Amino acid sequence: DIVMTQTPLSLSVTPGQPASISCKSSQSLLHSDGKTFFYWYLQKPGQPPQLLIYEVSNRFSGVSDRFRGSGSGTDFTLKISRVEAEDVGVYYCMQTIQLPITFGQGTRLEIK
Amino acid sequence: EVQLVESGGGLVKPGGSLRVSCVGSGFTFNDAWLSWVRQAPGKGLEWIGRIKAKTDGGTADYAAPVKGRLTISRDDSKNTLYLQMLSLKTEDTAVYYCTTGHQWGQGTLVTVSS
Repeated sequence: DIVMTQTPLSLSVTPGQPASISCKSSQSLLHSDGKTFFYWYLQKPGQPPQLLIYEVSNRFSGVSDRFRGSGSGTDFTLKISRVEAEDVGVYYCMQTIQLPITFGQGTRLEIK
Repeated sequence: EVQLVESGGGLVKPGGSLRVSCVGSGFTFNDAWLSWVRQAPGKGLEWIGRIKAKTDGGTADYAAPVKGRLTISRDDSKNTLYLQMLSLKTEDTAVYYCTTGHQWGQGTLVTVSS
């Protein structure tokens, strides 16, 4: 199974400040077709997960441009340019290049 | 608007069985590959299985911890995805979500307890 490792597991950010979350996979997520099957989700308190970023760097419909995904191969990063109160929750990375689909442990973001 | 609505969760005794459903709308259901993901209380997300669109074979794949006890099926005429769970264990207690990957339902809670 591909292991997804997120760091940090929690972070506390002052509103208006940036935040960054890392996710490393145990195998490359680059497919032979050129796509990288890597995703970021946010699960707000009491809600289901919502897709933020697909295929490394593509923002899903309606997602703020404060969110930016980057990376390649096995190393990926989610950056929030200016954290807002509505960004609170748990962020998960996910890979779908190989079954079983696997998630990172989650990174809890709180507001200072 | 894309919607996924799960139902059928509840309290079941260890060893019992349960079927949960997920109705999709706002997208071409029969073209979608659909997954079930569960979340135990206070824990992270765990993928448990996926079914392909019938045009791609319609086959289902499962995570090792549930293989042989869970069956995923679909009825495209009803825009409905199913998860049949057998021989339930206390560790199967979780919120069960259906998802296209892009969209998620609100989830249905399955509690396995005597």
